[in-house]
Amino acid sequence: EPEVTQTPSHQVTQMGQEVILRCVPISNHLYFYWYRQILGQKVEFLVSFYNNEISEKSEIFDDQFSVERPDGSNFTLKIRSTKLEDSAMYFCASSEMRHSNTEAFFGQGTRLTVV
Amino acid sequence: QQQVKQSPQSLIVQKGGISIINCAYENTAFDYFPWYQQFPGKGPALLIAIRPDVSEKKEGRFTISFNKSAKQFSLHIMDSQPGDSATYFCAPVGGYNKLIFGAGTRLAVHP
Repeated sequence: EPEVTQTPSHQVTQMGQEVILRCVPISNHLYFYWYRQILGQKVEFLVSFYNNEISEKSEIFDDQFSVERPDGSNFTLKIRSTKLEDSAMYFCASSEMRHSNTEAFFGQGTRLTVV
Repeated sequence: QQQVKQSPQSLIVQKGGISIINCAYENTAFDYFPWYQQFPGKGPALLIAIRPDVSEKKEGRFTISFNKSAKQFSLHIMDSQPGDSATYFCAPVGGYNKLIFGAGTRLAVHP
């Protein structure tokens, strides 16, 4: 069964450092997303990406964040200068069509710990 | 207007019992109402979803009931099993292409 793959599963980084979280969405999907879940809190939308550009982003997704689809298979989330409050589980998701028309498939997540 | 309120926060049910989780929303632009299931160490996975033109949808032991006028929808798990122990999220969609997650309900089914 096709699945969304995320690497690494756990990343520890020093405050102020840049991190790149990687995702391989399902191959025929067109919409890509990043969500995050701070420990014990709800899952929050960060950004959606379609046709090689950001289609929507949340207030959380400020200038420190960027996304990229550098080739035909990877989808990355970069945090330029990490803060302690960026510590969370980051989930990548993909879907064939928009959320309201089709199922979104989530990866297993990358646990980011900023120290 | 994007707020989604999910209850209860946690639920303990005996094996074979019925689990009921509720979700209330404010945004009338929502047009797709999914429930996601998440096991520890895994990402959320779609369990069942409903559109607002029907009041109920059943898939096996899982049923969504939808009340458009009250702006509420609920998940019913019949004959709950220990394998159903997980965290459940309502995550309606509409207007914008993003899931708006509720706070989650941690379900424990005891044998």
